[in-house]
Amino acid sequence: IAGITQAPTSQILAAGRRMTLRCTQDMRHNAMYWYRQDLGLGLRLIHYSNTAGTTGKGEVPDGYSVSRANTDDFPLTLASAVPSQTSVYFCASSRAPGDEKLFFGSGTQLSVL
Amino acid sequence: LAKTTQPISMDSYEGQEVNITCSHNNIATNDYITWYQQFPSQGPRFIIQGYKTKVTNEVASLFIPADRKSSTLSLPRVSLSDTAVYYCLVGGPLINSGGYQKVTFGTGTKLQVIP
Repeated sequence: IAGITQAPTSQILAAGRRMTLRCTQDMRHNAMYWYRQDLGLGLRLIHYSNTAGTTGKGEVPDGYSVSRANTDDFPLTLASAVPSQTSVYFCASSRAPGDEKLFFGSGTQLSVL
Repeated sequence: LAKTTQPISMDSYEGQEVNITCSHNNIATNDYITWYQQFPSQGPRFIIQGYKTKVTNEVASLFIPADRKSSTLSLPRVSLSDTAVYYCLVGGPLINSGGYQKVTFGTGTKLQVIP
């Protein structure tokens, strides 16, 4: 089934550890996004990529990095996790950068202790 | 940047029609209106999108008045499985010329369908 695959589904991480959340799409979409969702704050954009080879900072980029080596993969890395990064992380994609129709993955529940 | 306002929550009995209204007073000329549905432990799922007047698909209808300052998502004959959070989004997170615009999903409308 076409769509977005995220891994892991959930993770408990010790503060200070490095963690990479994986995201793969098979729809050949140009744009990809990483959001975090926190209770009462809705979905906030962390980083995005307009197309393979380019990335940009979103609303809450501090403490996170991304790469877009190819069209399909868009990993999110926490270099040194902190408890405030405990959240649910969603990867999404859209056909083009200006397209409002987003496709989301199932999310990664991350707990930083 | 178009800010959206939705009711925080709504309750409805099974079989009833549910209308959720979203206000977006400063919508831009080229902005589309998109609605998403999110179940617990899942990512948001696209429901419907429109620019003006009425759009209908197999899931819902979207009514947009001429001034486009609001929109109403209509769910016909809801069932328990329609219990979810519904988000109204105006415009997209990225702009064609590059960069991002802060398009917030907000906290959405939590719809509870009652048996």
